[in-house]
Amino acid sequence: AQSVTQPDIHITVSEGASLELRCNYSYGATPYLFWYVQSPGQGLQLLLKYFSGDTLVQGIKGFEAEFKRSQSSFNLRKPSVHWSDAAEYFCAVAGANDYKLSFGAGTTVTVRA
Amino acid sequence: NAGVTQTPKFQVLKTGQSMTLQCAQDMNHEYMSWYRQDPGMGLRLIHYSVGAGITDQGEVPNGYNVSRSTTEDFPLRLLSAAPSQTSVYFCASSWGGDYGYTFGSGTRLTVV
Repeated sequence: AQSVTQPDIHITVSEGASLELRCNYSYGATPYLFWYVQSPGQGLQLLLKYFSGDTLVQGIKGFEAEFKRSQSSFNLRKPSVHWSDAAEYFCAVAGANDYKLSFGAGTTVTVRA
Repeated sequence: NAGVTQTPKFQVLKTGQSMTLQCAQDMNHEYMSWYRQDPGMGLRLIHYSVGAGITDQGEVPNGYNVSRSTTEDFPLRLLSAAPSQTSVYFCASSWGGDYGYTFGSGTRLTVV
């Protein structure tokens, strides 16, 4: 069965500093990988997705993620965070012919001034 | 486009009551899913549908029923509410696995 692990429950970062959120997945075949962001009281918004090709993918809001098959990882990065990036971030995995997303437990990001 | 619309946004139920959470999408998506979100557990799949008339169970289906009579609507029914069903429920839809899902804004349900 597919699964996702987000090792960091909570991360605090200063405004303007870089951010990296870790995601490790377990899936038997080629995975489809996603990062979603959830602001307080809101639904989930898709930041970026990876299916194949270039292992570095660009998303919205200045985020990028790198797929590393050898490490079963799909870490999310942003070079310089803004106060508006404070939110909860979820990594998710699905299969090529599988429409069921499996989510990690999420990482809460706090941005300090 | 309204996207994915969930109603109600908030609901309080007494143990044993039944209710239906509504979900509608106007994007002609074939795939629709229901998730529940609980602190520290991420989102867990309750039921999903790959088209009108086709539904299947997800990871945590007990206590919930679904049906899909039209492409647009995918209601979630709680047959006899229990405190363990206190959660935030999200409906999502998609063209297919590689497009990613579009999520509704959620229904916060409290069972007392």
